[in-house]
Amino acid sequence: GENVEQHPSTLSVQEGDSAVIKCTYSDSASNYFPWYKQELGKRPQLIIDIRSNVGEKKDQRIAVTLNKTAKHFSLHITETQPEDSAVYFCAATHSGNTPLVFGKGTRLSVIA
Amino acid sequence: GAVVSQHPSWVICKSGTSVKIECRSLDFQATTMFWYRQFPKQSLMLMATSNEGSKATYEQGVEKDKFLINHASLTLSTLTVTSAHPEDSSFYICSARDMGRDSSPLHFGNGTRLTVT
Repeated sequence: GENVEQHPSTLSVQEGDSAVIKCTYSDSASNYFPWYKQELGKRPQLIIDIRSNVGEKKDQRIAVTLNKTAKHFSLHITETQPEDSAVYFCAATHSGNTPLVFGKGTRLSVIA
Repeated sequence: GAVVSQHPSWVICKSGTSVKIECRSLDFQATTMFWYRQFPKQSLMLMATSNEGSKATYEQGVEKDKFLINHASLTLSTLTVTSAHPEDSSFYICSARDMGRDSSPLHFGNGTRLTVT
């Protein structure tokens, strides 16, 4: 089955700096890679996703890149703000009725 | 957008009792729903895949007789934690995908925080 590795487990950045979180996956059949932000005690919120037919996707300060050959995908947050502080999870799956497999999460702290 | 409703949002129960958690897709049909469990400071771990009209598929290490799943309709799946113990205390969260829409992301319920005393 799919295995998703996520690094780093914790990340502290100064406000305004960029943050990068990296994930790798094992199943070459996976073709959908979402990123979730989870605040304490709340459900994960989808912030951006990318499919295997695209190499990069951007939404304002957030971007995701995908390298299918290397089975890597990364989340980039620019101009970080204190409200970006949360736990971020990457995930991977096939499309259809297959579940998401999550990475272990990255606790991002943005220091004002 | 697609909404998944989960109830209750929190529950406290005594050891040995059973707790039922409901997950509803409000504006779409879901032949499959997924149940995850999240312990403090850990990731979401898939417990089981709930299939409408058939038996659930459980992940390795998850006791099917302890975590009963029923998916009786296209919009409702329930998870019953039977004979709950303190180690079952966790955040349980369901999710579903709108199969009627191409490329639909997975939608999560708000989760249920279970505390077993």
